[in-house]
Amino acid sequence: GEDVEQSLFLSVREGDSSVINCTYTDSSSTYLYWYKQEPGAGLQLLTYIFSNMDMKQDQRLTVLLNKKDKHLSLRIADTQTGDSAIYFCAGTSGSARQLTFGSGTQLTVLP
Amino acid sequence: SQTIHQWPATLVQPVGSPLSLECTVEGTSNPNLYWYRQAAGRGLQLLFYSVGIGQISSEVPQNLSASRPQDRQFILSSKKLLLSDSGFYLCAWNTGYNSPLHFGNGTRLTVT
Repeated sequence: GEDVEQSLFLSVREGDSSVINCTYTDSSSTYLYWYKQEPGAGLQLLTYIFSNMDMKQDQRLTVLLNKKDKHLSLRIADTQTGDSAIYFCAGTSGSARQLTFGSGTQLTVLP
Repeated sequence: SQTIHQWPATLVQPVGSPLSLECTVEGTSNPNLYWYRQAAGRGLQLLFYSVGIGQISSEVPQNLSASRPQDRQFILSSKKLLLSDSGFYLCAWNTGYNSPLHFGNGTRLTVT
């Protein structure tokens, strides 16, 4: 099965870039996802990347995928206070019927 | 467009009482449906998933059960709640495995 790991906390200054990292174990993961969870809310799909891609950019978000190292990152440019939330990465493999989530990274944006 | 509704948003129930949480999806047919629980930490635990009416798969043994009486309706139930059932329950759907999961807003359950 898939294991997904993330660091638990990240603090950045408003206006700086944030980089949230994730490692996964299943090299057959077809898609890798980033979700955002604000306090008391459900998970919101931010972006995802197909395993044959190295990079995907969507406005302030950049996803980088290093398949060799099984490393995924989410870069948020010009981080704002509204970006403060928990960010989850998740992976799926060809044999699984469900996503495997990391434990989430709490992003705190300092003024 | 597709939307997912989950209710109630918060619930406080005494130990030993029954539970019924409901989730409905609009704007799609034959979705895969999921119930997750998020404990006080962060981790998401998959409780049940369903690929069709009346088809329920359970990931972990527990005090809870799930049912899918209609194509776009998913219900999480318990006959007698335990203190350990407290948590944040999330319903989700997708169109098939390998497709993105879309979550409801969650139900905060406190068992007292």
